[in-house]
This record gives sequence, structure tokens and C-alpha cells, in this order.
Amino acid sequence: NAGVTQTPKFQVLKTGQSMTLQCAQDMNHNSMYWYRQDPGMGLRLIYYSASEGTTDKGEVPNGYNVSRLNKREFSLRLESAAPSQTSVYFCASKPGQGTYEQYFGPGTRLTVT
Amino acid sequence: GENVEQHPSTLSVQEGDSAVIKCTYSDSASNYFPWYKQELGKRPQLIIDIRSNVGEKKDQRIAVTLNKTAKHFSLHITETQPEDSAVYFCAASIAGTYKYIFGTGTRLKVLA
Repeated sequence: NAGVTQTPKFQVLKTGQSMTLQCAQDMNHNSMYWYRQDPGMGLRLIYYSASEGTTDKGEVPNGYNVSRLNKREFSLRLESAAPSQTSVYFCASKPGQGTYEQYFGPGTRLTVT
Repeated sequence: GENVEQHPSTLSVQEGDSAVIKCTYSDSASNYFPWYKQELGKRPQLIIDIRSNVGEKKDQRIAVTLNKTAKHFSLHITETQPEDSAVYFCAASIAGTYKYIFGTGTRLKVLA
């Protein structure tokens, strides 16, 4: 099992460019999450998907969109990148209702210039 | 809204001493409290967790205590070693959702 995988590992964008961060899990988990991590701010939830076919906003959704493509994949899209979106992005998954432990991917370090 | 406060933000201890990190949460209905360790450039890794129906849980040198009345929980690391140096995050579940709120992290340095 690869667990939770993310691509790319690193990305540099110019202001106004768009890109999609990819996340996949092979653990048959129902719930998936996108977080951003900034220095001194901990992990903040951007969007999550409780189960296939559903998505909901987290604490900091502005400037992002998500797609739960199927049970395995959950992508995060930046339509028009801004310097404030420079961060490390983590995807996570958990089995589903009644379970609690989240499993994190390796992260994507994004810089917007 | 829901909030988790974590203290201290940095902590230095001598090797072999104990370290304690504390978190306070706002949602009295939270029922799950994990602790994560994150080494530089790596993903957060779950090291221990506790549910609201338990007051304390231990795993070798690591323990977590929960005080539901006061709405705070703590991570205790005994006999610290240099490899314990990392950033530690607490989190709390948000009742009725699939979401979690994270603390802002504690950078622990174990001095040899």
C-alpha cells in the first residue's frame, strides 16, 4: 500500500496562474481532506469530502475549489494563484464515520511569486 | 467558532527530562483528541490519541491526559531523547462533523 500520495512535491507559480494539486489514497477510505500549513499557524482545513460525491468548506476555502473525482482521488484547484497561497499543502484521509485517525500525505510545497 | 489553543510554542528540555505540552479546546462536545509529531519537511504522524470517555492513555514514554470539565488535554513525554525533537500538534474533533481543529504547534528541542 502506498497510503496517501500527492503530486507534485514542489511547485512554483506566478501570480494569476492556475494549477491542480492531486491526492490519491489506496486504503479504501471514505473521507478525504485538504489542509494548508503556514509557519506558526498549524494545519488549517481548506475543504473536505466526508464521502464520495460530497464536498464541504473548511476554515479557509476562499481561492480554492475541490473535486472528489472518485473514492480514491481528491484534487485541489487554485484558479488564480496569489502570493498569500504560498504554503505547504497536505492531503489526508480517514476510513469514515465512527473512525477517527487521519492519514496524511507527504505534502506539496507551493510558492507563488 | 471552535478553537484549540496550544502552549508553549517552543520548549527546550535536557535529554532525560520530561516534556509537557498543553491544549485547551472550546467545543464541549469534542470527543476525539489526537497528537501528531512532525519532523522537519515531513508529514504529521499520529503518535497517540484519546477519546472523551477516557481520562488517560499511555504508550511507552508517551501519555495523554484529558480533563473534560476544564476542556484541556496534555501530552507528556518522559525520558526525552534527541530524536523526540520535532514539532508537536494537538487537535480536537468538531462534534457532528468530520472536521478537526488543530493547535498551532509546539517546537520541542531535546538538548543532549
